[in-house]
Amino acid sequence: EAGVAQSPRYKIIEKRQSVAFWCNPISGHATLYWYQQILGQGPKLLIQFQNNGVVDDSQLPKDRFSAERLKGVDSTLKIQPAKLEDSAVYLCASSLVLTGTDTQYFGPGTRLTVL
Amino acid sequence: AQTVTQSQPEMSVQEAETVTLSCTYDTSESDYYLFWYKQPPSRQMILVIRQEAYKQQNATENRFSVNFQKAAKSFSLKISDSQLGDAAMYFCAYRSEGSGNTPLVFGKGTRLSVIA
Repeated sequence: EAGVAQSPRYKIIEKRQSVAFWCNPISGHATLYWYQQILGQGPKLLIQFQNNGVVDDSQLPKDRFSAERLKGVDSTLKIQPAKLEDSAVYLCASSLVLTGTDTQYFGPGTRLTVL
Repeated sequence: AQTVTQSQPEMSVQEAETVTLSCTYDTSESDYYLFWYKQPPSRQMILVIRQEAYKQQNATENRFSVNFQKAAKSFSLKISDSQLGDAAMYFCAYRSEGSGNTPLVFGKGTRLSVIA
């Protein structure tokens, strides 16, 4: 079974530029998550989708971050414009169903450096 | 809001020995789930073990086991017969019970080194 795929793996941009990350969840997984992991900290949820609808985006900085999940499969996360403090690893995860005990499977992440 | 605290930023263990990683959490809820995730240097995070709060029996997965103390809000991970491949960041995480519309709340992690 293929895992969660993410691209690119690494990205370096200058502040005020735009950047987009892509995630392909495990086939059949209805729930998709985007996390931000700043160096030295645990992941923090940015947004959660159930199929193509947003379940929770309370911690997404909506003035600069946006995300979509068209057709309930792939998802993209965009930052526009980027700030220095956005330097982090962006993790995508998916799970089969939307329950508290369901296992979340994580992708390898995209490491973003903002100069 | 729930919080998860991992008080050991770094730990080390000799190969084949046993190590315990600590985790405490703060919540007013009675039903919830607790998890330990492992993040190797390649950064792909994987689930190690999970515990449902309503279960009194501690979860076990091969060499990994937990000591769940609900009253003390403590959830430690014990790794027996440590192997070089166990070297990684370990994150403790909490998730509320409910319809599923609840995020995982992670601690800051413990970096485990395994010494040959």
